[in-house]
Amino acid sequence: GAGVSQSPSNKVTEKGKDVELRCDPISGHTALYWYRQSLGQGLEFLIYFQGNSAPDKSGLPSDRFSAERTGGSVSTLTIQRTQQEDSAVYLCARGTRGNTGELFFGEGSRLTVL
Amino acid sequence: GESVGLHLPTLSVQEGDNSIINCAYSNSASDYFIWYKQESGKGPQFIIDIRSNMDKRQGQRVTVLLNKTVKHLSLQIAATQPGDSAVYFCAENKDDSGYALNFGKGTSLLVTP
Repeated sequence: GAGVSQSPSNKVTEKGKDVELRCDPISGHTALYWYRQSLGQGLEFLIYFQGNSAPDKSGLPSDRFSAERTGGSVSTLTIQRTQQEDSAVYLCARGTRGNTGELFFGEGSRLTVL
Repeated sequence: GESVGLHLPTLSVQEGDNSIINCAYSNSASDYFIWYKQESGKGPQFIIDIRSNMDKRQGQRVTVLLNKTVKHLSLQIAATQPGDSAVYFCAENKDDSGYALNFGKGTSLLVTP
């Protein structure tokens, strides 16, 4: 596959609850991205991790969203006090070695907020 | 704001015909473009890329054309097959300082027998 494992694959939660989504890329790739894809829409950039640099959080839609990456590998995207408009597929991608910009995506975590 | 966009949201072609999917971008500073294919229930998959110092690049059955003058990008698929049915996204460099890609909304390609 793409070398990116995401969990859970599906998550149904009630409005107001917190959720955590996990991304586990194969080792050796320093760049990691989170995107959000709403139904019938394109991919919306959320956050980007590159090595030990400060993450690019410019795409996070509100302060309810946060992400961390521990040990340069596994990343967790946390959404606090979920709202119905947070319902989407959350995609994680790893960057390739070098400078091509090609991303390898996981299959995503589908979040449904009731 | 600056963005990428698609001319057509859906495209239906007959098996064996050639497909052309178009994309417009607005950021004249963009220097790197990628086409991705997304099948139902899966993450996007890289198809082909092109840098701004090129105007054409060919892959296996696919060709990407870049017209920087009008800020237009296209993906051509030769001899379209049922397995080509998917949503196709173009993406550009978000900015010069990073590699986060800015994606368009996608075109759904349906290949009919």
